[in-house]
Amino acid sequence: GESVGLHLPTRSVQEGDNSIINCAYSNSASDYFIWYKQESGKGPQFIIDIRSNMDKRQGQRVTVLLNKTVKHLSLQIAATQPGDSAVYFCAEIANTGNQFYFGTGTSLTVIP
Amino acid sequence: DAMVIQNPRYQVTQFGKPVTLSCSQTLNHNVMYWYQQKSSQAPKLLFHYYDKDFNNEADTPDNFQSRRPNTSFCFLDIRSPGLGDAAMYLCATSLDRGDYGYTFGSGTRLTVV
Repeated sequence: GESVGLHLPTRSVQEGDNSIINCAYSNSASDYFIWYKQESGKGPQFIIDIRSNMDKRQGQRVTVLLNKTVKHLSLQIAATQPGDSAVYFCAEIANTGNQFYFGTGTSLTVIP
Repeated sequence: DAMVIQNPRYQVTQFGKPVTLSCSQTLNHNVMYWYQQKSSQAPKLLFHYYDKDFNNEADTPDNFQSRRPNTSFCFLDIRSPGLGDAAMYLCATSLDRGDYGYTFGSGTRLTVV
């Protein structure tokens, strides 16, 4: 069978509340960051991206914040819905044009 | 709808018996990727094709091979599956390098018995 996996960090949030998922990155040369969402039984889905010359970018109900000083990335989801329950992965890229590598995911559970 | 299709959705193979997973795309994307995802872990990139150019990750075991006979299809061959190869295998595409809005298939869950 499969190898025993690592336990993902988990967060639970009440439906309708705002949620924040955090990610630390390691490479100070990284200049592009992305968030992916993976629902159970599905492939990952691109959510939002941000370049290092920005510290905030907004999408539909999602906001990504970048703090280059402390190498921290966060994803904020407004008015969380049950459909937001998923694992969220961040990824950092140095030298855009190369492939990226997923970081450790965070499992978000929305409580109805 | 344009999409990335992986077949089969579930595959059971015997220890040591070669197995092939398939991926097709109707997006006409240049780049196709294969990822391995084990339980509660992030997807791990095995290799990718940029058009016909094959790019292997340094830590991908030799047991894993890939073929891309044309733009639409890409195959993952596992020559001698071990128990540790049981995982979800995800195929993804992107229009070009530097395009990070990948389109993923739903994956093939491989069980090794």
